[in-house]
Amino acid sequence: GEDVEQSLFLSVREGDSSVINCTYTDSSSTYLYWYKQEPGAGLQLLTYIFSNMDMKQDQRLTVLLNKKDKHLSLRIADTQTGDSAIYFCTTGGGADGLTFGKGTHLIIQP
Amino acid sequence: KAGVTQTPRYLIKTRGQQVTLSCSPISGHRSVSWYQQTPGQGLQFLFEYFSETQRNKGNFPGRFSGRQFSNSRSEMNVSTLELGDSALYLCASSSDDFNEQFFGPGTRLTVL
Repeated sequence: GEDVEQSLFLSVREGDSSVINCTYTDSSSTYLYWYKQEPGAGLQLLTYIFSNMDMKQDQRLTVLLNKKDKHLSLRIADTQTGDSAIYFCTTGGGADGLTFGKGTHLIIQP
Repeated sequence: KAGVTQTPRYLIKTRGQQVTLSCSPISGHRSVSWYQQTPGQGLQFLFEYFSETQRNKGNFPGRFSGRQFSNSRSEMNVSTLELGDSALYLCASSSDDFNEQFFGPGTRLTVL
């Protein structure tokens, strides 16, 4: 089956930028997504990128896609304590279901 | 618009029992997917229903089954529960014209 790999933890200082990286195997995915999960909560779609795009910017969020290397990244500018959560790199969708990475725990240091 | 709702939110069962979880999608959404989330395996796709038909199924044993009703509400059933079935079960709905899936808060199942 398809696979998504991402590091488990990232620690950044408040106000710095956070960059979460992932690699994936599903080259047929039309969209690639970043989901956010806060403690005790369900999953929330944070942002997504269409597979024929290289970059998407949405306020503090920047998504970069390198299709050749099958590499996706999420940059959060000016990281705040409220950004503390688990971030899932995700491919697939529709009838095939979503394939999630194991999630990156973003830890914010004051 | 109301979001995806799941009932019950918490459930405790013993090994060998069976359980039924319910999911009500966002109004107008016809696709409902189910996922299992565990600390060890992460989030894994169980199955997807569209207009009462199962279109795809993940790599889970036959003890896991589901159905979808004409109003798009969906249920999943797990029979002969095992300790390893303890997990957060998430339901997601989408309109299927764009693959964005909206997730419910989940049902936390504990098997003793």
